[in-house]
Amino acid sequence: QQPVQSPQAVILREGEDAVINCSSSKALYSVHWYRQKHGEAPVFLMILLKGGEQKGHEKISASFNEKKQQSSLYLTASQLSYSGTYFCGTLNYGQNFVFGPGTRLSVLP
Amino acid sequence: DTAVSQTPKYLVTQMGNDKSIKCEQNLGHDTMYWYKQDSKKFLKIMFSYNNKELIINETVPNRFSPKSPDKAHLNLHINSLELGDSAVYFCASSQDQGTGGTEAFFGQGTRLTVV
Repeated sequence: QQPVQSPQAVILREGEDAVINCSSSKALYSVHWYRQKHGEAPVFLMILLKGGEQKGHEKISASFNEKKQQSSLYLTASQLSYSGTYFCGTLNYGQNFVFGPGTRLSVLP
Repeated sequence: DTAVSQTPKYLVTQMGNDKSIKCEQNLGHDTMYWYKQDSKKFLKIMFSYNNKELIINETVPNRFSPKSPDKAHLNLHINSLELGDSAVYFCASSQDQGTGGTEAFFGQGTRLTVV
């Protein structure tokens, strides 16, 4: 069951903030976040394993709301290097890991 | 040292041909994967192997056959290539049981173009 990501695309100016959401129709065991820059491989950002868990990676952080079966990725004071496509991946109980469709983020100077 | 390496990086071939993509990881991981990324950027798992054993085999035409000679290698052979097979194929590895519960490391991708 592929998770849903929103928005599909977002354009920011340097220094602005963004939130990317990932939701599943089934109970989540874990949520993973990856970033893929154009022409490159996806790169792991973080995994959230527990409901209520929050993690940070430089100015990128994420939260996991197990009850709502969703996760949000927060990009604070965005930099040009944040541009790329962000994928969430979800592991539902008893099912295989699956990536969402991606959110394309463009940071402009 | 490249953690997950796949070759070739680009592959252009005619319809009907048979081709292989090789993948090797030096991370000591037990699990390796093949993903297909189409023109819309959807990343779809095709196969996963855990210690040379097939764990995940998604709905993929049987023209695609993975082969894992040892846990550090997972090759992908494709028979009778079709136009719709054109995509970027990523190999990945992780330290889990094959269902994707831990961080995955991706190779640089193989861009396959079928003409």
